[in-house]
Amino acid sequence: DGGITQSPKYLFRKEGQNVTLSCEQNLNHDAMYWYRQDPGQGLRLIYYSQIVNDFQKGDIAEGYSVSREKKESFPLTVTSAQKNPTAFYLCASSIHAYEQYFGPGTRLTVT
Amino acid sequence: AQSVAQPEDQVNVAEGNPLTVKCTYSVSGNPYLFWYVQYPNRGLQFLLKYITGDNLVKGSYGFEAEFNKSQTSFHLKKPSALVSDSALYFCAVSPSVVSGNTPLVFGKGTRLSVIA
Repeated sequence: DGGITQSPKYLFRKEGQNVTLSCEQNLNHDAMYWYRQDPGQGLRLIYYSQIVNDFQKGDIAEGYSVSREKKESFPLTVTSAQKNPTAFYLCASSIHAYEQYFGPGTRLTVT
Repeated sequence: AQSVAQPEDQVNVAEGNPLTVKCTYSVSGNPYLFWYVQYPNRGLQFLLKYITGDNLVKGSYGFEAEFNKSQTSFHLKKPSALVSDSALYFCAVSPSVVSGNTPLVFGKGTRLSVIA
């Protein structure tokens, strides 16, 4: 899982609450990414950031928000607008268009 | 638009037998290709990549992959499977001509089960 940490590993929330997932890296990578993983659907890109104070929507950005105030940190907020937020969330970083390094993931359960 | 196909959801192989996990891709220009492995409730671990050079790429844990440009494939192989190889495997692609850090595009994954 390299130098990327995600916390917490498991997260439980009630429907209607916003929740923020943490992602921190000490690899000095410029780019960071958030993916959502559901059984049988592979990885789907939520947001990515190529540089501090800049980020772009991925394929499934609706109901999510991010910030990139520091190079090391890329938190993801799952808002109450996300219709089906229960999933496994993976954060990654990269130094260029080469391999991405992944964190251990956060499993979010919303009831 | 770039895409990756992993045609098999599940691959079963006996321990000690060779294994192949298939991947085909579609990308404009020359691709960068990657294989990752995921164990239950863990992040993805990088196995190997093809950037340029030899079509046969060797990676971690005895895995290798063969780049075939004419067939747009990048199949993952191992000569002798271990039970511990049982996991979810993802193929990913990125166009080689990129500006900035373009996200990789991942296949849907293939679950490998190695039976003792």
